Amino acid sequence: KNEVEQSPQNLTAQEGEFITINCSYSVGISALHWLQQHPGGGIVSLFMLSSGKKKHGRLIATINIQEKHSSLHITASHPRDSAVYICAVTNTGNQFYFGTGTSLTVIP
Amino acid sequence: DADVTQTPRNRITKTGKRIMLECSQTKGHDRMYWYRQDPGLGLRLIYYSFDVKDINKGEISDGYSVSRQAQAKFSLSLESAIPNQTALYFCATSDTGSGSGYEQFFGPGTRLTVL
Repeated sequence: KNEVEQSPQNLTAQEGEFITINCSYSVGISALHWLQQHPGGGIVSLFMLSSGKKKHGRLIATINIQEKHSSLHITASHPRDSAVYICAVTNTGNQFYFGTGTSLTVIP
Repeated sequence: DADVTQTPRNRITKTGKRIMLECSQTKGHDRMYWYRQDPGLGLRLIYYSFDVKDINKGEISDGYSVSRQAQAKFSLSLESAIPNQTALYFCATSDTGSGSGYEQFFGPGTRLTVL
């Protein structure tokens, strides 16, 4: 059983589409993280949040603590957004748990 | 220059060989982590260290050992490599700042193949 579940596993979108990736978790958390893994393998942190909503450019992350759910939205998607998006949580013991990732392909 | 570096970036080795993967960071963080990533699985924690004198086993530590030589350096060793240790290995760091949660910063990864 995974502490962090993501959906969908794979997503293909046309350029310009609005994209949503979902994450549910089952442990008590101190923070939730959204990571991006580029095709070359490198991983970068996009967001760390513990409540509400954060926005960075075309990316928006929201979290609902009561429902143990987070979403990552990409507005006006672009082929360069193609990557694997990983949801992770830090539990109250400061351990990290990772989802298996959502592979996004944006077609021109 | 990258804040978290890993060497080597790629390694092919044979079953039974001893392998060391190295990680260095310039972020000044106390906490360092080693993860492995396998296709279809999330990142899994191998070992972590909250400071130079603190080493902790993660979810999948069997077959691995680590050394925290300095605040900036954390090495992962496979004493006798086996094929199912073929994976992508990531080093990461995080600060011990206050507040909720700790952002992690990842190295570029080491692709290890054990034949």
